[in-house]
Amino acid sequence: KAGVTQTPRYLIKTRGQQVTLSCSPISGHRSVSWYQQTPGQGLQFLFEYFSETQRNKGNFPGRFSGRQFSNSRSEMNVSTLELGDSALYLCASSLLVGTGELFFGEGSRLTVL
Amino acid sequence: GENVEQHPSTLSVQEGDSAVIKCTYSDSASNYFPWYKQELGKRPQLIIDIRSNVGEKKDQRIAVTLNKTAKHFSLHITETQPEDSAVYFCAAPYEVTGGGNKLTFGTGTQLKVEL
Repeated sequence: KAGVTQTPRYLIKTRGQQVTLSCSPISGHRSVSWYQQTPGQGLQFLFEYFSETQRNKGNFPGRFSGRQFSNSRSEMNVSTLELGDSALYLCASSLLVGTGELFFGEGSRLTVL
Repeated sequence: GENVEQHPSTLSVQEGDSAVIKCTYSDSASNYFPWYKQELGKRPQLIIDIRSNVGEKKDQRIAVTLNKTAKHFSLHITETQPEDSAVYFCAAPYEVTGGGNKLTFGTGTQLKVEL
């Protein structure tokens, strides 16, 4: 069974640009969550999608957005990049959020210059 | 609010010793408490979890205890080995308006097992 796949794995952008990250969940998982990981801040929840609907959202500015497609694949977008957006963005899929195991992808490491 | 506090932030033990990491949550409705291990450069992976209907759960060298009254839960690793060196995250779900849960993570504990 294929795991969670995230693309791209690494990317470098400059301030003001925008970026789109992609996540393909484990087959059969309809819930996809996104987390931002930075040193000292741990895993900060961005948002969660279930059956193409955003169910939960973390405390991030509106520059961070996402969506989920009918095949459960998800994308997140960050517009008007800032230096502080440099982080590892992790996607996780699960059958249900909050009550079962999260399966994480390897992450997309974003560097903003 | 939605808060999970985790202590200590770093922990260094000698091989063979025990390690204990503690977490406190704020939502009394939380009923599921997982622990994730993240080795350097790798993805977080679930190592053990506990639900609110039990006070303790063991899996070989690792165990988790839960005190719902005090709203805290702990990870215990016995007979530590070098491969236990990693960052450990606790987590707890918080109910959100409209239904569903949001899994909130602690800030992590860097465990180093020294030879």
